[in-house]
Amino acid sequence: QQQVKQSPQSLIVQKGGISIINCAYENTAFDYFPWYQQFPGKGPALLIAIRPDVSEKKEGRFTISFNKSAKQFSLHIMDSQPGDSATYFCAASRVKLIFGTGTRLQVFP
Amino acid sequence: DAMVIQNPRYQVTQFGKPVTLSCSQTLNHNVMYWYQQKSSQAPKLLFHYYDKDFNNEADTPDNFQSRRPNTSFCFLDIRSPGLGDAAMYLCATSRDVQQETQYFGPGTRLLVL
Repeated sequence: QQQVKQSPQSLIVQKGGISIINCAYENTAFDYFPWYQQFPGKGPALLIAIRPDVSEKKEGRFTISFNKSAKQFSLHIMDSQPGDSATYFCAASRVKLIFGTGTRLQVFP
Repeated sequence: DAMVIQNPRYQVTQFGKPVTLSCSQTLNHNVMYWYQQKSSQAPKLLFHYYDKDFNNEADTPDNFQSRRPNTSFCFLDIRSPGLGDAAMYLCATSRDVQQETQYFGPGTRLLVL
C-alpha cells in the first residue's frame, strides 16, 4: 500500500512534443505529490508538486494532473526540449517520501 | 548559493574499511535525510533526523549509522562497507516532515574496492 507505480520506464519524444508520465498510488493518506527531475550524477531537484485538494497545477511548460478518485497523477511536459532529457521521479508523501520507479526521458532534436 | 552540500563528491574505500560521508545545509531545516540510490533505481530512504530525534528505516542494515551533531551537519557512517554498498548517497533536508519539499544535495558516489 506504500508503493507508487510509475510508467513508462523510458520515453523518447521529439523536440516540441508532449511528454506524459503517469503515476498511481494506493494509500489514500498521502497528502503531497511532488515530481523530481534528476540529471546523471546529480541529486534530484523538485520540479513541481501538488496537494490532493487541487486537480491541476501548471508551472511554465510543466503541468501536474491529479485524479483523486482514481488515485492517479501525471506529469505533462509541453514543448519538450533536449534539455529536459533526464530521469523523472514521481513521489507521494504523508510523512515519508515514497518514490516511483522513475522514467528516463530522452528528447531528440 | 549551495543549500545542501555533500562532501566528498566521490569516495573510494576498501572492502570492510569504515567510511564517513558528510552533509551540511544552509537552510536551517529541522529534518535531514540520508538516501541510498543505486544505478537506475529510485532513492531509498535509510534514516532521517527530526532535529535530534533519529528515525531509522526498518530495513536499513546495522552497518549504516548516522550522527547529527548540530542543525547544520549530518554524517553517514558505513562501518564495514561491502561491495553491495557501492551507490550514490544523497542527503536531503526539509523544514518539516509533512507536506514539505525535500531539497537534495548533489550526492556522494561511493566506490568499494
